[in-house]
Amino acid sequence: QQQVKQSPQSLIVQKGGISIINCAYENTAFDYFPWYQQFPGKGPALLIAIRPDVSEKKEGRFTISFNKSAKQFSLHIMDSQPGDSATYFCAASLGGSEKLVFGKGTKLTVNP
Amino acid sequence: DTEVTQTPKHLVMGMTNKKSLKCEQHMGHRAMYWYKQKAKKPPELMFVYSYEKLSINESVPSRFSPECPNSSLLNLHLHALQPEDSALYLCASSQEALSWENSNQPQHFGDGTRLSIL
Repeated sequence: QQQVKQSPQSLIVQKGGISIINCAYENTAFDYFPWYQQFPGKGPALLIAIRPDVSEKKEGRFTISFNKSAKQFSLHIMDSQPGDSATYFCAASLGGSEKLVFGKGTKLTVNP
Repeated sequence: DTEVTQTPKHLVMGMTNKKSLKCEQHMGHRAMYWYKQKAKKPPELMFVYSYEKLSINESVPSRFSPECPNSSLLNLHLHALQPEDSALYLCASSQEALSWENSNQPQHFGDGTRLSIL
């Protein structure tokens, strides 16, 4: 009930391509869905976040798509660059709760 | 550079040592967190402090002892650790949610302390 399932575990994309990472959840009480980007030797950095009353949010080359009925959300990285190579974590939390439930992560490699 | 500063960046200690990890933020955040992250895994929540009071302890062994001296500082005191405690320890902070409208404030992470237990 408290899990967030993330796929794929790893992803290799060519420069300029689109990277797509998917997450699914069970708990319909979740109402905040952030994505974090983590480079080796660094802490996770907030990339973009969405609430369930919005179906899509775009910030630069990064877009979150949210499907409330399917209980799924995804991260799209347009025009992927080698500098985007990192591990990406989706997460979810309940309103007013400090607890984040993380997905297992996706290691993205963008080849030049 | 992150706005959450953690020291030291690396720490190697024996199982009988006592050491402390430190975390500092100057963003005026009132919630602070400790996470443990093993290689190729997501961060696991350990403790949450809200307005300098411990609000969440995720059943962490007593060999880890958190402390929040003031709203900008968070410490994690370590004693008699085990080899399996070797990990990246991350600190994070966020604004405290004062209403439903601004609930789920984003958490800002430091770059962590890489801890190795010999």
